[in-house]
Amino acid sequence: DAKTTQPTSMDCAEGRAANLPCNHSTISGNEYVYWYRQIHSQGPQYIIHGLKNNETNEMASLIITEDRKSSTLILPHATLRDTAVYYCIVRVGGSGGSNYKLTFGKGTLLTVNP
Amino acid sequence: DTGVSQDPRHKITKRGQNVTFRCDPISEHNRLYWYRQTLGQGPEFLTYFQNEAQLEKSRLLSDRFSAERPKGSFSTLEIQRTEQGDSAMYLCASSLYTGPQYFGPGTRLTVL
Repeated sequence: DAKTTQPTSMDCAEGRAANLPCNHSTISGNEYVYWYRQIHSQGPQYIIHGLKNNETNEMASLIITEDRKSSTLILPHATLRDTAVYYCIVRVGGSGGSNYKLTFGKGTLLTVNP
Repeated sequence: DTGVSQDPRHKITKRGQNVTFRCDPISEHNRLYWYRQTLGQGPEFLTYFQNEAQLEKSRLLSDRFSAERPKGSFSTLEIQRTEQGDSAMYLCASSLYTGPQYFGPGTRLTVL
């Protein structure tokens, strides 16, 4: 699976948009970008995933660059409860390769400040 | 809420004892995964099942670890002769084929 690079930490003011970047310059054509977050002492929570088109759900938006070498997770109106470690993961889709596992890095610690 | 559940949530044991953890996946999910997470690190893949078949095991899964999913529903992870290095959070996740994996709350193991 392609490796990802994320900043170690970021701060965001409550009520503002949080934009979390991720670089995945070696991503392959059949690899998806997944985002998870982990609030302290809880299990990781699935947020969103995408292949090449931008995606939006009730939690967040995912913007993937045209060359697919980077992406940004956007939390439109951050709250204190969004303080967590955010993981960007590239994972093989379909029936090929290591499509069964998620390879987590160290993620970005997002701190939302009042 | 019918998410992934894990039991127990916390386990303290003495070195050398055996421990067993249980995971109940989301009911319609056919894949079940086990991960381990140590302090300050992201979760690491251990093994996964598709229905009752264990299809992949990480080399992190030493001979002291065994996992089962006997009827393709719940799963157990057993650690024999626990060591202090086994202290970690053990996470279970489930998915429908290659769809998103949904995680349980984890079992925190402390080996004294």
